[in-house]
Amino acid sequence: GAVVSQHPSWVICKSGTSVKIECRSLDFQATTMFWYRQFPKQSLMLMATSNEGSKATYEQGVEKDKFLINHASLTLSTLTVTSAHPEDSSFYICSASRSNQPQHFGDGTRLSIL
Amino acid sequence: GENVEQHPSTLSVQEGDSAVIKCTYSDSASNYFPWYKQELGKRPQLIIDIRSNVGEKKDQRIAVTLNKTAKHFSLHITETQPEDSAVYFCAADDAGGTSYGKLTFGQGTILTVHP
Repeated sequence: GAVVSQHPSWVICKSGTSVKIECRSLDFQATTMFWYRQFPKQSLMLMATSNEGSKATYEQGVEKDKFLINHASLTLSTLTVTSAHPEDSSFYICSASRSNQPQHFGDGTRLSIL
Repeated sequence: GENVEQHPSTLSVQEGDSAVIKCTYSDSASNYFPWYKQELGKRPQLIIDIRSNVGEKKDQRIAVTLNKTAKHFSLHITETQPEDSAVYFCAADDAGGTSYGKLTFGQGTILTVHP
């Protein structure tokens, strides 16, 4: 149990376009979802925390207008990278948790902006 | 906020040897400490965790120790195997009681086990 699916797994797009990444909890209802960013050979950095039905809480230094997070249901959260540029290229990982359970991670999305 | 320091950044051992990775944290309110193994391009996988009311936890070849007073915790892998080669991350969670909250990750340790 506790499977988290992330889609797409890899996306390449042109500079200036917007990219949407989906995170789904397949077999449980996630009260909280987290979005992380991981640069090559670096650690996971928390970008934001989202709770179903409420606005996401962004970490310091993360532009909320750049990284739009929507958590419309207990099984789906989306991260939209708006007007993406090469410096946004990274590995984006989501995780989902429910009360009294640790976070379960998705497989990640490798984003490459040309 | 929480700050987690992890050492060493790289660790190379011979198959069969033990490996130890150490982390320190800054926020005394943190009370849940998971360890993750991440292979290249894959998701972090939880391998063992410990809560602050426990000093040590063991699962087969893997053990974690916690010194809450000194605010440090360590991962111990015995009888290492080549398939243990990966990046290992420690993390700290400051949610209280038995709940779970935000994770702050250490910088990671690249473990290489030579056959």
